[in-house]
Amino acid sequence: DGGITQSPKYLFRKEGQNVTLSCEQNLNHDAMYWYRQDPGQGLRLIYYSQIVNDFQKGDIAEGYSVSREKKESFPLTVTSAQKNPTAFYLCASSDAGGSSYNEQFFGPGTRLTVL
Amino acid sequence: AQKVTQAQTEISVVEKEDVTLDCVYETRDTTYYLFWYKQPPSGELVFLIRRNSFDEQNEISGRYSWNFQKSTSSFNFTITASQVVDSAVYFCALRYNYGQNFVFGPGTRLSVLP
Repeated sequence: DGGITQSPKYLFRKEGQNVTLSCEQNLNHDAMYWYRQDPGQGLRLIYYSQIVNDFQKGDIAEGYSVSREKKESFPLTVTSAQKNPTAFYLCASSDAGGSSYNEQFFGPGTRLTVL
Repeated sequence: AQKVTQAQTEISVVEKEDVTLDCVYETRDTTYYLFWYKQPPSGELVFLIRRNSFDEQNEISGRYSWNFQKSTSSFNFTITASQVVDSAVYFCALRYNYGQNFVFGPGTRLSVLP
């Protein structure tokens, strides 16, 4: 089945540790996105990538890093510099735009808790 | 600036009532798309509908209907005869800039009480 997988579903981290969240898609989409959602809040864009080996900062990129070495994969690292990392993280993908304006497809999310 | 506003933060209705969720958008682009997503308690966003800027026809899908009005920059979503399973957070979104950018509204939390 085509879709987006995120792992793990729940993640616990000690303060001061870096942690990497996985996002994989088999939809052959060029664009991928990371969003953060805090309880009772909307989605905030962290990073996005329109093509392999290229990515741009979103609205709240500080304390996060990404890589896009393969079309299918867009891992997000939450670094120790992120002051308040406890949140729900959603990965999404879509076509790259241009003549297409299709929807984003979302993964099931990873809930990160810093202890 | 590109922006999506959902003025209703939370709505509570009793089962079988009709409910309308409001969405107002701002964009300078003439070509853009609007979307609605549902986020149930499990957390994953579920796509509901897509509408392009050149198609102002209203759409009905079962108990769901959408009203797109460019004159008021609105894309409202109505659930008829609501059910408890409709309880979720609903997001309106805009895709613009030749499709390169998405912006989401803050969401409306709908609670349907039995």
